[in-house]
Amino acid sequence: EAQVTQNPRYLITVTGKKLTVTCSQNMNHEYMSWYRQDPGLGLRQIYYSMNVEVTDKGDVPEGYKVSRKEKRNFPLILESPSPNQTSLYFCASRSGRAPGELFFGEGSRLTVL
Amino acid sequence: AQSVSQHNHHVILSEAASLELGCNYSYGGTVNLFWYVQYPGQHLQLLLKYFSGDPLVKGIKGFEAEFIKSKFSFNLRKPSVQWSDTAEYFCAVNPSGTYKYIFGTGTRLKVLA
Repeated sequence: EAQVTQNPRYLITVTGKKLTVTCSQNMNHEYMSWYRQDPGLGLRQIYYSMNVEVTDKGDVPEGYKVSRKEKRNFPLILESPSPNQTSLYFCASRSGRAPGELFFGEGSRLTVL
Repeated sequence: AQSVSQHNHHVILSEAASLELGCNYSYGGTVNLFWYVQYPGQHLQLLLKYFSGDPLVKGIKGFEAEFIKSKFSFNLRKPSVQWSDTAEYFCAVNPSGTYKYIFGTGTRLKVLA
């Protein structure tokens, strides 16, 4: 089954404790991206990657890092989480062939105390 | 700046009522357009998409949308809603030739049984 898998689905952590949210897709998609969803603000793009070793900032990249060492994986790293990073995070992927729709993961709800 | 506006933030309807959700975008070039649905506690799923051709597109579950280029609009419609349509609906715009996806802030639909 074609899917985008995120882990963990739920996490409560404390300020400053580094964490990584993993994202993996099995559709051989070139493009992957991370969004955060906050009430009243919709989805905002954090980072995206057009292929292995190619990443770029989205609209709200501050406080986040990403890497794309393999085509299927695109982890989101919070080096020093802060309470304003409490949010619902979605990973999405898309074929490199344009145009195309995004396929979303199930979401990771992160709470930073 | 490119943006997507969904003017209806909350909509409450009774079953069998007709639905129209507005979506307007600001971008002067060619775009690809999407409507996604997010059921409670779930990830975003594609309802329908427009890339080119017939501006009236049909999606899953009886939804349709019409692209009116002169109005920069892509409104979502359904003739008769069901209780199971209770969800949040997001409009998204992808400027052609780019990897950028701009989402609206979403419309929460509640359908009363």
